[in-house]
Amino acid sequence: EPEVTQTPSHQVTQMGQEVILRCVPISNHLYFYWYRQILGQKVEFLVSFYNNEISEESEIFDDQFSVERPDGSNFTLKIRSTKLEDSAMYFCASSVDRSSGEQYFGPGTRLTVT
Amino acid sequence: AQSVTQLGSHVSVSEGALVLLRCNYSSSVPPYLFWYVQYPNQGLQLLLKYTSAATLVKGINGFEAEFKKSETSFHLTKPSAHMSDAAEYFCAVSGSGSARQLTFGSGTQLTVLP
Repeated sequence: EPEVTQTPSHQVTQMGQEVILRCVPISNHLYFYWYRQILGQKVEFLVSFYNNEISEESEIFDDQFSVERPDGSNFTLKIRSTKLEDSAMYFCASSVDRSSGEQYFGPGTRLTVT
Repeated sequence: AQSVTQLGSHVSVSEGALVLLRCNYSSSVPPYLFWYVQYPNQGLQLLLKYTSAATLVKGINGFEAEFKKSETSFHLTKPSAHMSDAAEYFCAVSGSGSARQLTFGSGTQLTVLP
């Protein structure tokens, strides 16, 4: 069964460093998403991406964040200068279309900023 | 704007007992509603979804949920709990934006007692 994959599973970085989180969505899906879950808190929407551009972004998704689909398979989230409060689990999700709203999630990348 | 409230951050049931996890939503448009399950150190797995068809929705692992518009509820039930059901459960509502991003509740941790 097709699945969303994410790498790395765990990333430790120092404050102020840039990190890139990688995702491979399900191959025939057209909509891509990033969510984050700070330990003990809700899963929060960050950004959605369709047709090679951002379609929706939340208030959390500030100038420190960017997304890219550099090739036909990868979908990346970059954090330019990490802060302690960026420590969280980051989930990538994909959806075949928007009519069903059904999103498939990857296993997540745990980002720890020290 | 959409929001989801999950009543009870922790629910404990005995093995074989009824599972009832509560979810109330707020949405300015007809909602799409979802239940996801998260096992320890894993991603989010879709249990079931409501997308304006039948109000009683059956999902995987014996779970089902009933959409009640008058009560703005989408409670998750399972007639007989199994030890393997122990996990965190998230209710989510799909947004009206172009990409239908998900808004999650704060989650309910289900413990199944032997």
